[in-house]
Amino acid sequence: GENVEQHPSTLSVQEGDSAVIKCTYSDSASNYFPWYKQELGKRPQLIIDIRSNVGEKKDQRIAVTLNKTAKHFSLHITETQPEDSAVYFCAASKGASKLTFGTGTRLQVTL
Amino acid sequence: NAGVTQTPKFQVLKTGQSMTLQCAQDMNHNSMYWYRQDPGMGLRLIYYSASEGTTDKGEVPNGYNVSRLNKREFSLRLESAAPSQTSVYFCASIALGGGGTEAFFGQGTRLTVV
Repeated sequence: GENVEQHPSTLSVQEGDSAVIKCTYSDSASNYFPWYKQELGKRPQLIIDIRSNVGEKKDQRIAVTLNKTAKHFSLHITETQPEDSAVYFCAASKGASKLTFGTGTRLQVTL
Repeated sequence: NAGVTQTPKFQVLKTGQSMTLQCAQDMNHNSMYWYRQDPGMGLRLIYYSASEGTTDKGEVPNGYNVSRLNKREFSLRLESAAPSQTSVYFCASIALGGGGTEAFFGQGTRLTVV
C-alpha cells in the first residue's frame, strides 16, 4: 500500500518568514495530494490540494508543488502569521481509493 | 447541514469495557472512514467503508469492529478496551470527484482507557 513520509515533525519560524513542509510518497499511481491543517483541539480541515496533472498550485499565501518523477510534494507558506500555527498533514490517494496521511508537522510561528 | 457528527466527544473507559463510537454524515457521501490520532503518528486508518454494505480493514484494525448501518451512519466498536486504545478518534466522510478524495472530519472523540 501507499506510504507517506513527512518532514520535519516540528518547525518554528518567525512571523513574516516562510515555512516549507515536505512529503514523499511510495505509490507512483497516486494522483491526488491534499494538505490538511489541524488547529489545537480541532478537526483537520483541507487547505489546499493538487492533482497529478498540475505541478504547482497557489492560494494566497499558501502553495503546493508536486514532483511526480521524484514522488515528492511540498507545502509552502509565505509571510507566516501567528494564526498559521497548527499541525499540518499531507496525504496521498489514487483516484477514489483511501487517503493515506503523513505523520504531521507542528508549525509554530513566533512573534 | 451539520456535515459529520461524532458522539461522544469525550469518554473514559476501564480496561475490558466496551463502547461504540457513533458517526453520521448528511452530505450523501458514499465513503466513510475511522482514523485514530496519536502523538507523532499522524492519522492512522482503522476501518473504512467505500459504500453502504461494505467495510474493509485499514492499517490498525485489531481490537475494533465497525458497522455501516446505512449510508449516513458508520459506527466503531471497541469490544474490550485496552490502554493502548487511548487516542483521539476521527470519523471522516469522503467526497469523491474531480479525480480527488476530500475528507470531511467529525469533531473527534477523545478516549481514555484506564
